[in-house]
Amino acid sequence: NAGVTQTPKFRILKIGQSMTLQCAQDMNHNYMYWYRQDPGMGLKLIYYSVGAGITDKGEVPNGYNVSRSTTEDFPLRLELAAPSQTSVYFCASTPTRGPNTGELFFGEGSRLTVL
Amino acid sequence: QKEVEQNSGPLSVPEGAIASLNCTYSDRGSQSFFWYRQYSGKSPELIMFIYSNGDKEDGRFTAQLNKASQYVSLLIRDSQPSDSATYLCAVNTPYSGAGSYQLTFGKGTKLSVIP
Repeated sequence: NAGVTQTPKFRILKIGQSMTLQCAQDMNHNYMYWYRQDPGMGLKLIYYSVGAGITDKGEVPNGYNVSRSTTEDFPLRLELAAPSQTSVYFCASTPTRGPNTGELFFGEGSRLTVL
Repeated sequence: QKEVEQNSGPLSVPEGAIASLNCTYSDRGSQSFFWYRQYSGKSPELIMFIYSNGDKEDGRFTAQLNKASQYVSLLIRDSQPSDSATYLCAVNTPYSGAGSYQLTFGKGTKLSVIP
């Protein structure tokens, strides 16, 4: 089973460039998330989706956009890259959400450097 | 602002000792609590969860929860060098968006088990 697949694994961008981080899951999970993790810091939620066609902002959405046209795919778009967006990005999914659910299935991460 | 606090460490323990990792949270509405392990350069993986006050044991791992004190801990008995990783505390809290509940992560505690 592939699980959650992220591409690319590494990328270097110049300031002002744009790019899309791809995320796909083959587990038929409704809920998908994008987190960023800066060195020595926890995971910060950027955007999330509760199903195809439904997305919402998380804690740190500025400078990013998402779409969810299918259950499987949840790409993250970076517009006008800035050095502050240098981070490791994790995509995650889960089948359900509720008061007693919290197991996220993570992709391997995408390490982005903006110079 | 929902907060989850952890000592960043590093916490160093000798092989065979008990490692004690602590976490406090600010939102009294939090329902469930999770411990994720993250090896360097890898994605987080769930190792324990707890919903009710008291202790929950799984092999060498014991999670402890005290909702009155808003305190969660993870004990690792007979620590092994392979336990060396960063441990992220995550708290499931009510969220105003469509996702209903969201995980808020602490910054993580880095554990080093010395052979």
